[in-house]
Amino acid sequence: GDSVTQTEGLVTLTKGLPVMLNCTYQTTYSPFLFWYVQHLNEAPKLLLKSSTDNKRTEHQGFYATLHKSSSSFHLQKSSVQLSDSALYFCALSAASSGSWQLIFGSGTQLTVMP
Amino acid sequence: GGIITQTPKFLIGQEGQKLTLKCQQNFNHDTMYWYRQDSGKGLRLIYYSITENDLQKGDLSEGYDASREKKSSFSLTVTSAQKNEMAVFLCASRDRSSAETLYFGSGTRLTVL
Repeated sequence: GDSVTQTEGLVTLTKGLPVMLNCTYQTTYSPFLFWYVQHLNEAPKLLLKSSTDNKRTEHQGFYATLHKSSSSFHLQKSSVQLSDSALYFCALSAASSGSWQLIFGSGTQLTVMP
Repeated sequence: GGIITQTPKFLIGQEGQKLTLKCQQNFNHDTMYWYRQDSGKGLRLIYYSITENDLQKGDLSEGYDASREKKSSFSLTVTSAQKNEMAVFLCASRDRSSAETLYFGSGTRLTVL
């Protein structure tokens, strides 16, 4: 079945350093990938989305490129800020069984230190 | 812009108790979802509804009931709360006009004593 894998549960970095959060997926359908961010005690919010192969998508300094050849949609930022500390979810749009669902990875907690 | 409101924000129950969580959205979205968020396990789908009075089970539906009496509201009932259960329940609605983006409420945090 469809699935999403996020390999890092916890990432801790110092402010100003680059970050890459891994996301790989498995599906037999044409993939549509999302990154959601959830700050402490807040609702998850959409950060990025893409269904176009090999095209970089950017928002709020974060970027990701969907690579269908490797089934990946890694999230990157060149210089993290304290305000980037949050829980990040990768998600896959799946239209299996005739109904649309969003399948989430287990999430990566990013903590940025001063 | 719209908003999704979940009530209550915090819910404390006793083992075996029936507990109801409520969700309201003013986006006028057709489809609504209930997810359970456990630490280290991502978001797991409990129930969803594609229109008023429709209910569809997700992977985690056992132990829960849902109700969609109006387009704008979607309720979730924990039929028998389990002792030491602790999770956050997130309600969401889906915007089909915006590449299937989900909009979430800020959640109900459940603690069972």
